[in-house]
Amino acid sequence: GQSLEQPSEVTAVEGAIVQINCTYQTSGFYGLSWYQQHDGGAPTFLSYNALDGLEETGRFSSFLSRSDSYGYLLLQELQMKDSASYFCAVIGSYNTDKLIFGTGTRLQVFP
Amino acid sequence: NAGVTQTPKFRILKIGQSMTLQCTQDMNHNYMYWYRQDPGMGLKLIYYSVGAGITDKGEVPNGYNVSRSTTEDFPLRLELAAPSQTSVYFCASSYSIGGTDTGELFFGEGSRLTVL
Repeated sequence: GQSLEQPSEVTAVEGAIVQINCTYQTSGFYGLSWYQQHDGGAPTFLSYNALDGLEETGRFSSFLSRSDSYGYLLLQELQMKDSASYFCAVIGSYNTDKLIFGTGTRLQVFP
Repeated sequence: NAGVTQTPKFRILKIGQSMTLQCTQDMNHNYMYWYRQDPGMGLKLIYYSVGAGITDKGEVPNGYNVSRSTTEDFPLRLELAAPSQTSVYFCASSYSIGGTDTGELFFGEGSRLTVL
């Protein structure tokens, strides 16, 4: 089976940097994605790592290490609007076609 | 483009009633999914489809049924509603999965279902 674990909550102040970790147990997968969800809203795609290493998209970066079964989302120059829940997700395994989500991390940004 | 459209947005059901949540997408995506999200929790996959005529179970399929007669539509049927099915339901679609594609899922706005 597949399971992805994340810290339940992270707090930080505006302008800071925060890292949200995702550890997983899965037999094999195409890549690791990250989604953002504001309260009452739908998840929206942030980033995707098909290969090990760092992917940067503006203030957000995502990292994957398959050998360590570990990934993280790095948010820089935090803004109040970044307060949301963040989910990592594994894109299937090599013989299935489904996206499984992690437990989610609620980020609260304070002034 | 409308993207992924779900109806209804809100619904209250009595125990034992049945209903269908509608989902349609206009992006010509092959892959479609139904997730449920309980308050403060993550998303659990109910059913998914890799193309018209093909569906498969996800993590929590009990109490639900789906069909995929066209590329655009992927309705979710709840039979004999139970309080445990009170949740927010999200439909999503993607062009492909895995490989070099990001596999980005496009979500509908959600359907909030309460079973009393």
